[in-house]
Amino acid sequence: GESVGLHLPTLSVQEGDNSIINCAYSNSASDYFIWYKQESGKGPQFIIDIRSNMDKRQGQRVTVLLNKTVKHLSLQIAATQPGDSAVYFCAEGGGADGLTFGKGTHLIIQP
Amino acid sequence: DTEVTQTPKHLVMGMTNKKSLKCEQHMGHRAMYWYKQKAKKPPELMFVYSYEKLSINESVPSRFSPECPNSSLLNLHLHALQPEDSALYLCASSQVPTGATDTQYFGPGTRLTVL
Repeated sequence: GESVGLHLPTLSVQEGDNSIINCAYSNSASDYFIWYKQESGKGPQFIIDIRSNMDKRQGQRVTVLLNKTVKHLSLQIAATQPGDSAVYFCAEGGGADGLTFGKGTHLIIQP
Repeated sequence: DTEVTQTPKHLVMGMTNKKSLKCEQHMGHRAMYWYKQKAKKPPELMFVYSYEKLSINESVPSRFSPECPNSSLLNLHLHALQPEDSALYLCASSQVPTGATDTQYFGPGTRLTVL
């Protein structure tokens, strides 16, 4: 299938600042998107999802934005903490078709 | 509870060995998945089981043989693997296998090394 991708392999932010991680997808028919966090040596952990009939969804300290016009997805993390350090993957699809993952962004928190 | 468990956590095997990876979930999910993840890469889908039946095989070599004994268990049988098969093998599950709008929950993975 078509793939989703991320713009930056690494993002370094100061502790306490807001982080924005971006993802571009190519399948205009996609209707479900997910952000996962993967810490070293662990499996991907669900953070937040959004369906194509929405353009914004908020969770605890996280917000996902979807721009279908330009096929762009972003994850905003407020007041970044050391525990947010991980690789973040966007993913598209799910259900019977499985997920297609983007390349991942490694978020590094500077003290 | 959104826990998916996988055993073993680590596995080292020779190219002539036969081994199995196990995955278990007790969330009542009816779809289960195997993914392969190489270092610094995203997970790649291998197999999808829907209501205990294999629904997707992403052109995976026959040296990988999945099995779904019941709705809570998923196995991956390994035989005659190659060193390039060394990777993190992830299991996931989701509530319903139909449609594309259902969250998948992942286990911690099995770190496989083939010598």
